[in-house]
Amino acid sequence: DGGITQSPKYLFRKEGQNVTLSCEQNLNHDAMYWYRQDPGQGLRLIYYSQIVNDFQKGDIAEGYSVSREKKESFPLTVTSAQKNPTAFYLCASSIRLYNEQFFGPGTRLTVL
Amino acid sequence: AQKVTQAQTEISVVEKEDVTLDCVYETRDTTYYLFWYKQPPSGELVFLIRRNSFDEQNEISGRYSWNFQKSTSSFNFTITASQVVDSAVYFCALSEASRGRRALTFGSGTRLQVQP
Repeated sequence: DGGITQSPKYLFRKEGQNVTLSCEQNLNHDAMYWYRQDPGQGLRLIYYSQIVNDFQKGDIAEGYSVSREKKESFPLTVTSAQKNPTAFYLCASSIRLYNEQFFGPGTRLTVL
Repeated sequence: AQKVTQAQTEISVVEKEDVTLDCVYETRDTTYYLFWYKQPPSGELVFLIRRNSFDEQNEISGRYSWNFQKSTSSFNFTITASQVVDSAVYFCALSEASRGRRALTFGSGTRLQVQP
């Protein structure tokens, strides 16, 4: 069954801790993305990756880091430098950079 | 700069009514793509349609239809005979293919509530 999986669905973190959100796809897509969504707002791009071992900053990359060691995986680390990390995080992938993106179910991160 | 405006924050209709969601975009690029996504209460975004800037033909898919007008920079989405299951937040998005623009810029979304 092809698709995008994100884990965990809910995540709680104490202030000052780093946390890593998982994103895996088995669609054989080259491009992957991370977005942040705050209540009542649209999505904002954090990072994106066009191919393996390559990634670029999006509009709000500060306080986040990513890696793309495998085509299927694009984990996002929310570091302690991110001032307001509580949000809904969505991972997406597309065949190529400008094609339609398909989204995972999201991870809701809450900082306590 | 590219920008997507969805002026309607929230729309409430009664089942079986038709409803149109507006989307206005700004771009200086001649090559770009427009998208509509649906976000149901579960949170996962569902892709609905992609339209490139060279194709102004309107599209119909079941109860859904899209009206793309370059002259007014609009890409509106109409749901005919709305149903309760259509209740969701709908996002319009824009991507510029040239100049290295790399991902989608989303509008702020329109929340549609369909009452039974």
